[in-house]
Amino acid sequence: DGGITQSPKYLFRKEGQNVTLSCEQNLNHDAMYWYRQDPGQGLRLIYYSQIVNDFQKGDIAEGYSVSREKKESFPLTVTSAQKNPTAFYLCASSALDRANYGYTFGSGTRLTVV
Amino acid sequence: RKEVEQDPGPFNVPEGATVAFNCTYSNSASQSFFWYRQDCRKEPKLLMSVYSSGNEDGRFTAQLNRASQYISLLIRDSKLSDSATYLCVVNIDRGSTLGRLYFGRGTQLTVWP
Repeated sequence: DGGITQSPKYLFRKEGQNVTLSCEQNLNHDAMYWYRQDPGQGLRLIYYSQIVNDFQKGDIAEGYSVSREKKESFPLTVTSAQKNPTAFYLCASSALDRANYGYTFGSGTRLTVV
Repeated sequence: RKEVEQDPGPFNVPEGATVAFNCTYSNSASQSFFWYRQDCRKEPKLLMSVYSSGNEDGRFTAQLNRASQYISLLIRDSKLSDSATYLCVVNIDRGSTLGRLYFGRGTQLTVWP
């Protein structure tokens, strides 16, 4: 079955460390997205990519980096420059088709700074 | 001003009740509209798309008013399993490229027995 897979489900990071969150999709979707969700808050866009080897900053890109070397993969690195990284991170993908434009989400990664 | 505004609730209703959620969007260039459902500590899942003519899926009815930039979701005969957060979502088409989706903060619904 096609889907979008995020790993790990839970991640603990020490202050000052960089960590990378994985996101892989086999839906043949062109676009991929990273969102952050804090308790009681809406989804905030970190980065998105609509084509391989190209990506754009979202609303809260500072302290994060991404790459899009393959259509299927869009890893997110949370760097030590991100001052408050504890959150629920969601990856999504979509087909760039106006007739059917909705996101499919992965099950998320909960990142905690210890 | 936020692109999508929703009443955060919470809405607490008994089983069998009818409940309505409202949402407004600020950009008249918005092209596609959706309702997503998010269960506690889970990812959002697409509940239904919203079309100009209004659309229904079982107990769920979605309506769009482009003139007022207003979207609604009506749930009839509420079930315990409807308890979740409902996200209003809007796509703003940027012309030659599809834009991104903008999410409201969500409206929390609790259905009690």
